[in-house]
Amino acid sequence: NAGVMQNPRHLVRRRGQEARLRCSPMKGHSHVYWYRQLPEEGLKFMVYLQKENIIDESGMPKERFSAEFPKEGPSILRIQQVVRGDSAAYFCASSLREGRVDYGYTFGSGTRLTVV
Amino acid sequence: GDSVTQMEGPVTLSEEAFLTINCTYTATGYPSLFWYVQYPGEGLQLLLKATKADDKGSNKGFEATYRKETTSFHLEKGSVQVSDSAVYFCALIVLRNQGGKLIFGQGTELSVKP
Repeated sequence: NAGVMQNPRHLVRRRGQEARLRCSPMKGHSHVYWYRQLPEEGLKFMVYLQKENIIDESGMPKERFSAEFPKEGPSILRIQQVVRGDSAAYFCASSLREGRVDYGYTFGSGTRLTVV
Repeated sequence: GDSVTQMEGPVTLSEEAFLTINCTYTATGYPSLFWYVQYPGEGLQLLLKATKADDKGSNKGFEATYRKETTSFHLEKGSVQVSDSAVYFCALIVLRNQGGKLIFGQGTELSVKP
């Protein structure tokens, strides 16, 4: 009964490269959320997805960032042409369905992206 | 918009001291409230929750009561341990047409000394 699985745990990219972060939600969870935690800051919402649909991307930077949650496979957060300011911990969370907010979310252990 | 404000850290306490971490919220709607804990190098774990006014969430000796009249959800523990050292996040969620998303406070770092 695995929890939310994120990989890789640590990712190092040079400026200008692409970063791909993966998130496999808990079994049976169809809602995925991505958050970013900058150093010394709290978690900021980025995007909320259901299978094959982006529901709310109000927290996503307008350029270079994209997210998907295909019918099969994990959710992917993609950052193109990374810059040093993208260095952060990226957390994925999943929930059973939107009506069960009393359970909160289950978070993964995060991917720590370092841009050099 | 919806928001959460926590007391600033770091908070440094001696073992067995009483802990309070203040949290207040603003929400256009009727939120559910949560406390999450993040240990060094790890993800967030749900500590406790409350879904309606006057509910008290509790877990591992921590407690928080949903106070609608003061829009607060303060975290308390009667006797902290060194193992409680972590960052604590207060959060809310309000269901809307686009579903719900957790809104976090900035986090409060707690350091407990032996």
